[in-house]
Amino acid sequence: ETGVTQTPRHLVMGMTNKKSLKCEQHLGHNAMYWYKQSAKKPLELMFVYNFKEQTENNSVPSRFSPECPNSSHLFLHLHTLQPEDSALYLCASSQQNYGYTFGSGTRLTVV
Amino acid sequence: TQLLEQSPQFLSIQEGENLTVYCNSSSVFSSLQWYRQEPGEGPVLLVTVVTGGEVKKLKRLTFQFGDARKDSSLHITAAQPGDTGLYLCAGAGGAGSYQLTFGKGTKLSVIP
Repeated sequence: ETGVTQTPRHLVMGMTNKKSLKCEQHLGHNAMYWYKQSAKKPLELMFVYNFKEQTENNSVPSRFSPECPNSSHLFLHLHTLQPEDSALYLCASSQQNYGYTFGSGTRLTVV
Repeated sequence: TQLLEQSPQFLSIQEGENLTVYCNSSSVFSSLQWYRQEPGEGPVLLVTVVTGGEVKKLKRLTFQFGDARKDSSLHITAAQPGDTGLYLCAGAGGAGSYQLTFGKGTKLSVIP
């Protein structure tokens, strides 16, 4: 248990499905992040929330839609994904950039 | 765009050997962090270095931040199978920046 909990751990979805990934932290951190980790690529920052406000959207396709209802919870809503979206999706939190605490990730497979 | 190059990409060594992995950039970072990631898990923070020339030791792991704050190294003494994993370096921007730039990582295998 790292302090950041992600559910589900594994997800298989069809290209026409709608699903959501959930992330929860009770570390008192003010920033939360979604990252995508694919083979042979660096961790790709997708979205940043600081005090519940989205501050970064790194040209992520609209089929990924984040939601941050409060400073402890972060969601990533998925719809009409493509097979190339299959990856490990990691949530992290931090107090400024003084070291991130990552969750265990959701291994997503799009079929 | 800030980029971090890590080398080597892959490293396979015998238990008991020493090793060094590198993290290089043409950009200056306000701080640099090292993480270790095991299969099926998220990265876990090992250390943060902040001052140019800083050296930090964590048991058998020694981390160094370059004088110009553009590069870093991680040295492991007497590697053990439990050290196996993906080692990631990440650079932080200026004050108030919430973004980290990650390298691709070095995948280390320590063979018993």
